[in-house]
Amino acid sequence: QKEVEQNSGPLSVPEGAIASLNCTYSDRVSQSFFWYRQYSGKSPELIMSIYSNGDKEDGRFTAQLNKASQYVSLLIRDSQPSDSATYLCAVSGTGGFKTIFGAGTRLFVKA
Amino acid sequence: EAGVAQSPRYKIIEKRQSVAFWCNPISGHATLYWYQQILGQGPKLLIQFQNNGVVDDSQLPKDRFSAERLKGVDSTLKIQPAKLEDSAVYLCASSFRQGGGEKLFFGSGTQLSVL
Repeated sequence: QKEVEQNSGPLSVPEGAIASLNCTYSDRVSQSFFWYRQYSGKSPELIMSIYSNGDKEDGRFTAQLNKASQYVSLLIRDSQPSDSATYLCAVSGTGGFKTIFGAGTRLFVKA
Repeated sequence: EAGVAQSPRYKIIEKRQSVAFWCNPISGHATLYWYQQILGQGPKLLIQFQNNGVVDDSQLPKDRFSAERLKGVDSTLKIQPAKLEDSAVYLCASSFRQGGGEKLFFGSGTQLSVL
């Protein structure tokens, strides 16, 4: 079982729609959860972090965490073509705070 | 604030040759990571340093890969000898702890092609 699992996609949504990206993780003691965005040929950049159950909103982005279900999601409202990228889910646990990444979901926003 | 610096940006070598990558983290960031990202996959952690000590190197192929972090600042990652399957982007990241977790900042990466 992979430690962090994501649907590889591609996920295609029309401009202005809500994009929903999902992630599950295997280590129950994981404490910190992150979403990174990676444009083609570029390095990952952090867009959201969440540490407790519930929702966290930042502009057009909402991260959702359910530790009981070991599930993290990212909602992108009013999707724009510039949101087209690969979205990486990352999870960090205890001890050395090792950060493990999922394989990423490719998102295409059609104009 | 300067970001994470990496060099070289690109490297092409033949199998069985050696190669080295360099990374300078963001000033003040104690934790430094080396990740390997194969095309179409997520970044895979190779080694994590806290200051100049190794926190995790469980996925570092130690028969061919080595890494060091001098004086808790700059770091080098070396591959000797290289194999075809080492072709990937090697990402260096540094982090600081804020709130509940470590937020990673990545360098531009080194794209390695092994022929």
